[in-house]
Amino acid sequence: KQEVTQIPAALSVPEGENLVLNCSFTDSAIYNLQWFRQDPGKGLTSLLLIQSSQREQTSGRLNASLDKSSGRSTLYIAASQPGDSATYLCAASTTSGTYKYIFGTGTRLKVLA
Amino acid sequence: NAGVMQNPRHLVRRRGQEARLRCSPMKGHSHVYWYRQLPEEGLKFMVYLQKENIIDESGMPKERFSAEFPKEGPSILRIQQVVRGDSAAYFCASSGLAGTDTQYFGPGTRLTVL
Repeated sequence: KQEVTQIPAALSVPEGENLVLNCSFTDSAIYNLQWFRQDPGKGLTSLLLIQSSQREQTSGRLNASLDKSSGRSTLYIAASQPGDSATYLCAASTTSGTYKYIFGTGTRLKVLA
Repeated sequence: NAGVMQNPRHLVRRRGQEARLRCSPMKGHSHVYWYRQLPEEGLKFMVYLQKENIIDESGMPKERFSAEFPKEGPSILRIQQVVRGDSAAYFCASSGLAGTDTQYFGPGTRLTVL
C-alpha cells in the first residue's frame, strides 16, 4: 500500500532563502508524481508534474526532482518570496490501473518579509 | 478551455439532510476523481469514475455516500443523512487519459454540517 510522507510538516524561512521540501513514497511503482500548492481555504494549484521516466522538471524558480529507486522527490524553491507562503503537497499516482493520487500531508511554508 | 468546475463552492447542511456536490470536468475529459480533505488532514482518494461507470470506489465510506457520472451532465457526489464528521472540503479532478495526463483539480466544495 502506497504511503506518501512529507518532511518537514512546517517551515519558516526569511525572504530570499533557497529551500528544499521533501517527499518520500513507499512504493516505487508510481506512474507520475505531482507537486501542488494550496493556499488557506483554497483549491489546489498544480506546480510541476514529473512522469516516472523523468528525473526532474523546472518552472521558473521551482525545480522538482524524482528518484524512484530511493522513493524520494524534492521540490526546490529558489530565492523564496512572501508570496510563496502556502502549503505544498506532493501526490504520487499509482500504477494500479486507476492512477489515483496518494497525497502527502503537506509542508506548510511561511516566508518572512 | 474552462477548467474543472464545482458547485456549490460552499454548502451548509444540518445533520440528517442530504448533500449533493457537482463536478463538471474539463471539456473533453471523461475521467473524474473525487477526493476529500478533512480539517487538518491530507487529501484522500474517494472514487474514480468514467462516463456511466464507477471504476474504483475503494475510498468511499460504505454507507451514505454514492457517486455517479452520467452520460450527460456533471458528476455528482451524494451524501445522505449527513453527520458532523462529513464536514470537509471535497475536490474533484478530471483527466483526459487516465495516467497519461495530469489530473486537473477543481476549486472544491466546502461542506459544513451543523
